[in-house]
Amino acid sequence: AQSVTQPDIHITVSEGASLELRCNYSYGATPYLFWYVQSPGQGLQLLLKYFSGDTLVQGIKGFEAEFKRSQSSFNLRKPSVHWSDAAEYFCAVGPNNNDMRFGAGTRLTVKP
Amino acid sequence: NAGVTQTPKFQVLKTGQSMTLQCAQDMNHEYMSWYRQDPGMGLRLIHYSVGAGITDQGEVPNGYNVSRSTTEDFPLRLLSAAPSQTSVYFCAINRAGEETQYFGPGTRLLVL
Repeated sequence: AQSVTQPDIHITVSEGASLELRCNYSYGATPYLFWYVQSPGQGLQLLLKYFSGDTLVQGIKGFEAEFKRSQSSFNLRKPSVHWSDAAEYFCAVGPNNNDMRFGAGTRLTVKP
Repeated sequence: NAGVTQTPKFQVLKTGQSMTLQCAQDMNHEYMSWYRQDPGMGLRLIHYSVGAGITDQGEVPNGYNVSRSTTEDFPLRLLSAAPSQTSVYFCAINRAGEETQYFGPGTRLLVL
């Protein structure tokens, strides 16, 4: 069965610092992988996705993620965090879009 | 929230009461899904539909019913609400063959 682990419940970074959010998955075949962001009181917005091809994926808002099959990871990165990036981030995995499993989320706080 | 509307925004129920959460879309997307979001657990799929007249169970379907009589609407029914169903409920849509899901703004449900 597929599953997703986001080891960090809460991360605090200073504005302008780099960011890496971890995501580890368990899945028997080549997965579809996603990162979503959720601002307080809002629905989820897709940041980026990976299905195949180049293992470094570029997304919106300056985010990128790298698929590492050997480590079963799909970590999200941003070189310089902005205060507006404070939100909750969810990693998801699945064989398709209709049977996804989400991680528990990582809440990002940005210090001025 | 990309043409996905959810009503109501907030609802309080007593144990045993019934209600229907509404989800409507104006994007003519074939796939519609219902998720619940609970603290520390991310999003979990309740039911989904790949088209009018077709529904299927997700990860946590017990206590919920769905139907899909039109492309536009995908209501979620709680026949006898329980406190364990206190959650935030999200509806999501996507087009067949496309992996990006678009989420509605959510319905916050409190069952006393």
